Amino acid sequence: DIVMTQTPLSLSVTPGQPASISCKSSQSLLHSDGKTFLYWYFQKPGQSPQLLFYELSARLPGVPDRFSVGGSETDFTLEISRVEAEDIGLYYCMQGLHLPYTFGQGTRLEIK
Amino acid sequence: QVQLQESGPGLVKPSETLSLICTVSGASMKRWHWTWIRQPPGNTLEWIGYISDNGTTEYNASLKSRVTISVDTPKNYFSLRLSSVTSADTAVYYCARMQGDSFHIWGQGTRVTVSP
Repeated sequence: DIVMTQTPLSLSVTPGQPASISCKSSQSLLHSDGKTFLYWYFQKPGQSPQLLFYELSARLPGVPDRFSVGGSETDFTLEISRVEAEDIGLYYCMQGLHLPYTFGQGTRLEIK
Repeated sequence: QVQLQESGPGLVKPSETLSLICTVSGASMKRWHWTWIRQPPGNTLEWIGYISDNGTTEYNASLKSRVTISVDTPKNYFSLRLSSVTSADTAVYYCARMQGDSFHIWGQGTRVTVSP
């Protein structure tokens, strides 16, 4: 199975400050068709997860511009330029290249 | 607007079979893949398996011997059966609609506890 490793596991950020989450995969997620099968999900407290980005960098409608993603092959990042209170929760990366789909451990974002 | 709703017993005894249903409303189930994902307490998400609208399935190999996912497209639901459960199967179980290899629309989740 492809192992997804996120760092840090928790993050405490002052509102208005940036935040960055790293995700590393144990194998390249770049497919021969040029797509990268890396996804980002966000889970608010007490809610089900929601998809933020798919295939590395395709943004779901409604995801604020302060969220950005990057990376390639095995190293990926999710960045929030200016954290807001509504951003608190768990962030997960996931690979969709090989079955079984596998998730990172999750990064918990808290507000200072 | 597509909505998914999980339902089923919240308590299952060890060695018995966990059975959940995901009811889909607001859209046809045709031409989509449908999936189950779970989240044990304090742990990350674990993909269980998916089914296409024509019944083709893929399962997580770690659960394959115990899992069955089925679909009833005309009645707009799909189901999960997990046999021989143990305390390790205690989790919140989510159903979701897939788009490509991602999970675009999720149910609210249902908590299942395995306990005598």
